[in-house]
Parts: sequence; C-alpha cells; structure tokens
Amino acid sequence: AQSVTQLDSQVPVFEEAPVELRCNYSSSVSVYLFWYVQYPNQGLQLLLKYLSGSTLVKGINGFEAEFNKSQTSFHLRKPSVHISDTAEYFCAATNAGGTSYGKLTFGQGTILTVHP
Amino acid sequence: DAGVTQSPTHLIKTRGQQVTLRCSPKSGHDTVSWYQQALGQGPQFIFQYYEEEERQRGNFPDRFSGHQFPNYSSELNVNALLLGDSALYLCASSVQGVSGYTFGSGTRLTVV
Repeated sequence: AQSVTQLDSQVPVFEEAPVELRCNYSSSVSVYLFWYVQYPNQGLQLLLKYLSGSTLVKGINGFEAEFNKSQTSFHLRKPSVHISDTAEYFCAATNAGGTSYGKLTFGQGTILTVHP
Repeated sequence: DAGVTQSPTHLIKTRGQQVTLRCSPKSGHDTVSWYQQALGQGPQFIFQYYEEEERQRGNFPDRFSGHQFPNYSSELNVNALLLGDSALYLCASSVQGVSGYTFGSGTRLTVV
C-alpha cells in the first residue's frame, strides 16, 4: 500500500525567511510526486511535480522540491517566503503506471503561516 | 480556457437524504476523479471515471456512486447521508495516461 507522510502539521515562519516543508512517501513501486497548495475555501493548485529526470524540480511562485529516492522524500523549499504564501500545502503521490495509476494519495497537509 | 467547474459550491442536507454533485472537466480532459476532504484532513480518493466507466475505487461504501457522461462531465451521488459525510468534495480532471491533474474549487457539503 502506498502512503504519504507530511512530517509537520504546522510551520510558522517570518516573512523573507527560508522554509522547508517535509514529505516522506512509502511505496513498493515507482511513484510520481506532487505538491499542491490550498488557500482557505478553495480547491487545490499544483505547485510542482516530479515524474522523472532531474531530482530538483522547480515550480510556481518560487517553490522547488527535491526527490530523494534513497530517503523516499520529496521536501518542498522556498528561499524567501511572503505573507501571501500563507496556506495549507499537500504532498501527494501516485503509482507510475499499473492498476493504481492516477489515484492520488495525499498527506495530511502542512499549514504554513508567514508572520510579518 | 475554463478549468474544472463544480456545482453547487455549498449544500446543506439532512441526515438520510440523497445528494448529487456535478463536475465539468477542463477542456481537453477525459478523466474525472472525485475526492473527499474532511475538515483538517488531506483529500481521500473516492473513484475515477474514464470512458463512462468507473476505473478505480477508493475505500468508500456503496452509498457513494458516480456517473460520467459522453461529454466527460461527471456526477457524484451519495445516498443515505450520514453526519460524517460532511466534507469538501473535490473533482479533478486529467487526460488518461498523462500525469496532470486539475482540481476544481469543490463543493462544501454539510449534513445536519
């Protein structure tokens, strides 16, 4: 069975500071990995995705993530956050093919709060 | 280019009633998936439709059913509503075989 664990439920940070949101996954097969952001009372917006190739993935709004197969991690980073980055962030995975391909498994979410 | 459209945005139902939620996928997308997001939780996969058939199903009871129409739009039906069915229901569309999922803004269902 596939699982995704987000290691921090809440991350407070000051404006212009760097931030890392941690995500570990467990799967017996190769996976595709995603980070989504959710603003209050809204749906999910894709920040970035890893399918194959370079392990460093760049996304929108200055976010990036690094896929580490040996540590089964896909941590999200931003070198300098803004107040507008305050939101909930979800890490998700799906099998890279096979019968469960296309079914996203989500972590529990990390609430990022950026303080002035 | 319209994204994923869900209706209604909010809904209040009484325990035991039935509800139908609707989703229009992004233009060019042929696959629709439904997710349930309880308060404070990550989304949970309900099922996926492609070519008007249910292709995958998550760990949800048979009270949850769906349909996909020839124009790729989809409905989620929930029968015999329970208080625990209160959640944000998200629809995601994609192209079969391509890993790109676009989510709608969701339908907030409250069961009283």
